[in-house]
Amino acid sequence: DTAVSQTPKYLVTQMGNDKSIKCEQNLGHDTMYWYKQDSKKFLKIMFSYNNKELIINETVPNRFSPKSPDKAHLNLHINSLELGDSAVYFCASSFLGNTIYFGEGSWLTVV
Amino acid sequence: KNEVEQSPQNLTAQEGEFITINCSYSVGISALHWLQQHPGGGIVSLFMLSSGKKKHGRLIATINIQEKHSSLHITASHPRDSAVYICAVRSIDTDKLIFGTGTRLQVFP
Repeated sequence: DTAVSQTPKYLVTQMGNDKSIKCEQNLGHDTMYWYKQDSKKFLKIMFSYNNKELIINETVPNRFSPKSPDKAHLNLHINSLELGDSAVYFCASSFLGNTIYFGEGSWLTVV
Repeated sequence: KNEVEQSPQNLTAQEGEFITINCSYSVGISALHWLQQHPGGGIVSLFMLSSGKKKHGRLIATINIQEKHSSLHITASHPRDSAVYICAVRSIDTDKLIFGTGTRLQVFP
């Protein structure tokens, strides 16, 4: 069973569309994260939730909105997609401050 | 200048060689992580360190808190070790993970 699973793995969409990436973890962790990996392969935190509460909110456009319906899920919704949003988005989870487990990544291409 | 610097950026080796990847950081940290990203893109956590040394199979990670430096060693390297190795530190001030830009390792048979 996959510990951190995110869907879809690949997403190609047009500028201006709204899309969501879903993430689920079955590890019982209390903290979940969204990271963005740009074309230069540099990883950067976007959001972090601990027990469904937002604890880290980096300076990302308001078009990005995370939603955590419960401790096991952290979904990422993106409105009005732009070309620059093309990247790989990684979901991850951990017990706060401990080893982080990453999902397989979601490759988003905006055309 | 990045808060987390890795060297080298790219590394090629022959199978069986001993490999060292270095990570230096400039912020106060509560922990340091070594991650492995395979060509397929998935990221795996290799180690989390706050002091000393950890060993897992052919991989060894060390950290020197005073010098703000960590090393990842691979003994008896193998082509399947080919991947990008990423150092990340958890800032003690912000609790955020700050990532290095990664070291791309290629091991040839």
